[in-house]
Amino acid sequence: QKEVEQNSGPLSVPEGAIASLNCTYSDRGSQSFFWYRQYSGKSPELIMSIYSNGDKEDGRFTAQLNKASQYVSLLIRDSQPSDSATYLCAVNRGAGNNRKLIWGLGTSLAVNP
Amino acid sequence: DVKVTQSSRYLVKRTGEKVFLECVQDMDHENMFWYRQDPGLGLRLIYFSYDVKMKEKGDIPEGYSVSREKKERFSLILESASTNQTSMYLCASSSNRDYAPGELFFGEGSRLTVL
Repeated sequence: QKEVEQNSGPLSVPEGAIASLNCTYSDRGSQSFFWYRQYSGKSPELIMSIYSNGDKEDGRFTAQLNKASQYVSLLIRDSQPSDSATYLCAVNRGAGNNRKLIWGLGTSLAVNP
Repeated sequence: DVKVTQSSRYLVKRTGEKVFLECVQDMDHENMFWYRQDPGLGLRLIYFSYDVKMKEKGDIPEGYSVSREKKERFSLILESASTNQTSMYLCASSSNRDYAPGELFFGEGSRLTVL
């Protein structure tokens, strides 16, 4: 079992719809969770961080964290073609100098006009 | 505008050559990282550093070394390049503030081809 798992996709949604991206993790002690967006041929860019259970909203993006079920999700409302990218989930395991960022392989999202 | 700058976007080297990849950040970040990214394998950590002069092996350090003589600069060295080191190399940095260690800022990447 991978430490951080994501569906590889591609996830295809029509323009204007809600895109839902999911990520599960295995280390119950993980404390911080991140979503990065990576356009083809570009480097990853942080779009959301979440540290406590519940929802965190930033514009059209909502991150949801459920530590009991060990999953974190990203919702993109009113999806736009410019949202087409690979979305990487990352989970911070451990603390201090023993911390380690564990990456999922990413979910490819295609938003169709 | 905060920035992580990698010295070369594209490099082509021959097997056995020594390769230097330079990375400079202007955010006064304590932490710096070198990753490589390959299709189907995702981001894999090569080396990281939490302080000047400090370096730690990541998941795939074999064939690589690093240097961090100044806080803003983190260099990746391939002592003798091999074809299986053809990849996209990504440098990143982060702060130690609060939960920020996981909030990485990436450079644009260096695509290395070893012939």
